Amino acid sequence: KAGVTQTPRYLIKTRGQQVTLSCSPISGHRSVSWYQQTPGQGLQFLFEYFSETQRNKGNFPGRFSGRQFSNSRSEMNVSTLELGDSALYLCASSVSSQGVEQYFGPGTRLTVT
Amino acid sequence: GESVGLHLPTLSVQEGDNSIINCAYSNSASDYFIWYKQESGKGPQFIIDIRSNMDKRQGQRVTVLLNKTVKHLSLQIAATQPGDSAVYFCAENTRNQAGTALIFGKGTTLSVSS
Repeated sequence: KAGVTQTPRYLIKTRGQQVTLSCSPISGHRSVSWYQQTPGQGLQFLFEYFSETQRNKGNFPGRFSGRQFSNSRSEMNVSTLELGDSALYLCASSVSSQGVEQYFGPGTRLTVT
Repeated sequence: GESVGLHLPTLSVQEGDNSIINCAYSNSASDYFIWYKQESGKGPQFIIDIRSNMDKRQGQRVTVLLNKTVKHLSLQIAATQPGDSAVYFCAENTRNQAGTALIFGKGTTLSVSS
């Protein structure tokens, strides 16, 4: 069974631009969560989607948004990029929304210049 | 705020030694804890989990201990190998009516020398 895939793997953007990252969960998994990883703040929860609905949201500004499609694939969008948004963005999928094992993708490395 | 943290940022051991990585958590309402391993350039990899109704759980070469009295979690790796070198994170799963969210600790970098 294929693991969680994320595209693109690397991205360079300029301040003020917007970016869309994509995540394909493991087949059969309906819950997708997004995390931001930085050296200073570590791994921080962004949001969780289940059955196309945002179920939970972390403490991030409204510039960070996401959505989930009927096939469970998910996208996250960051608008008006800031230098501090440079990070590794990780997607994790699980069978249900009640947590249990979350399987992570390799992440998308976003650099904002 | 509530957070999960690790006691030591780095741990260096010799191949064959046993490793113990510690973690303290603050949310007494958390009922599920997970250890992840992250190698360079990869996403976190699930190692082992434990529910709050248990004190100990064993896997292959790994054991997780949970002490709810002092809100402490530890990961023991037996006969540590060079391939175990990675960053290890503990995470707590906070459930609410809306869904779940993993709260991660800062991570401990394990270095294994042969």
